[in-house]
Amino acid sequence: AQTVTQSQPEMSVQEAETVTLSCTYDTSESDYYLFWYKQPPSRQMILVIRQEAYKQQNATENRFSVNFQKAAKSFSLKISDSQLGDAAMYFCAQHMDSNYQLIWGAGTKLIIKP
Amino acid sequence: GAGVSQSPRYKVAKRGQDVALRCDPISGHVSLFWYQQALGQGPEFLTYFQNEAQLDKSGLPSDRFFAERPEGSVSTLKIQRTQQEDSAVYLCASSLVGGGLINQPQHFGDGTRLSIL
Repeated sequence: AQTVTQSQPEMSVQEAETVTLSCTYDTSESDYYLFWYKQPPSRQMILVIRQEAYKQQNATENRFSVNFQKAAKSFSLKISDSQLGDAAMYFCAQHMDSNYQLIWGAGTKLIIKP
Repeated sequence: GAGVSQSPRYKVAKRGQDVALRCDPISGHVSLFWYQQALGQGPEFLTYFQNEAQLDKSGLPSDRFFAERPEGSVSTLKIQRTQQEDSAVYLCASSLVGGGLINQPQHFGDGTRLSIL
């Protein structure tokens, strides 16, 4: 069975600093997609960034970037110049090309210190 | 509407009661997903619709859970004879095309927080 593991239940960072959230996954498939979602207290899941497994180049969206290590099955999220609005739960998720399901990690709570 | 709308936002029910949770996807979105998110956990897949067809219900935890999308737009998740373990946030998501294609991301609603007393 596919699993997604986020080993950091909580992370804190000073405003304007950089923080990295870890995610590892386990799959036997070669084609899949990886995502980071943000869930603020409003509960709405917001897509932060996504990565196709067949692409070697790491995805980047403004202050958000990933370090995708396919062989190690690692998919970490780096947030640069952290802002107070970045405070939320962050979930890593994996989607296989072969089915409809998103497999989610348990989440990391990100705290931004002013 | 502009986004996925779920109602009610909060639902409290007594154990044994039936509940119905509603999801209005983004207009024109083909795919619709339901997830269950327990407190402090990531979401878990429940079921998937492509238009009105329920193509995957493998995540429904028991036969007390039933979902429908009769006209391919609004969906209802029904839970019969609720139990305390059903307490969770139920998230609905929609995406533009069918087949769960990933180049079309899932757009989520705010969820319904269900509490069973």
